[in-house]
Amino acid sequence: DTEVTQTPKHLVMGMTNKKSLKCEQHMGHRAMYWYKQKAKKPPELMFVYSYEKLSINESVPSRFSPECPNSSLLNLHLHALQPEDSALYLCASSQEGRGLRVEYFGPGTRLTVT
Amino acid sequence: GENVEQHPSTLSVQEGDSAVIKCTYSDSASNYFPWYKQELGKGPQLIIDIRSNVGEKKDQRIAVTLNKTAKHFSLHITETQPEDSAVYFCAASKGTGNQFYFGTGTSLTVIP
Repeated sequence: DTEVTQTPKHLVMGMTNKKSLKCEQHMGHRAMYWYKQKAKKPPELMFVYSYEKLSINESVPSRFSPECPNSSLLNLHLHALQPEDSALYLCASSQEGRGLRVEYFGPGTRLTVT
Repeated sequence: GENVEQHPSTLSVQEGDSAVIKCTYSDSASNYFPWYKQELGKGPQLIIDIRSNVGEKKDQRIAVTLNKTAKHFSLHITETQPEDSAVYFCAASKGTGNQFYFGTGTSLTVIP
């Protein structure tokens, strides 16, 4: 099973709202990621958690706040977003072995900021 | 850092024909090259990958070739079907602990 689940599937929020995106995997992967994807563009890496510790933060604005409660769960807390933050937010997890990283994506959360 | 270029950006083929998508990379240390298929409204799905110690890999109608000397790799889809219509992304990585660098994507349309 190579499934990464994400909730909610769609989210509409105002610029003053606080919301959270959730991601879960039960594949035993120890690295999890958040990506942002705009229409017709490749995914852009936002955050990497490795063994539940934040290891990469690609200079993302502080209105995005990641959290990794345990090795299976990853959250992305959203606060005071801007309309340009509207995008598909993808979670991924990776299996690492023999020097390689095989990454699996979830279905994404379509976020609209009004 | 790594730079991955992908061509073409759009590709239309008749059902049953073959489709080829090409990517080049710049960092000779990259050793893992996955291909993802993304259908409308869905997340990217890993469809095939190749490691730097292999020149070619095939899985049913899909194959990937890698030329390390020229630093390019290609996705080949034979006997295309309408359900192959999607956006395809290539990526390159230096392996464990390193991020993926994605190509810009190819929108493939298979015309019935």
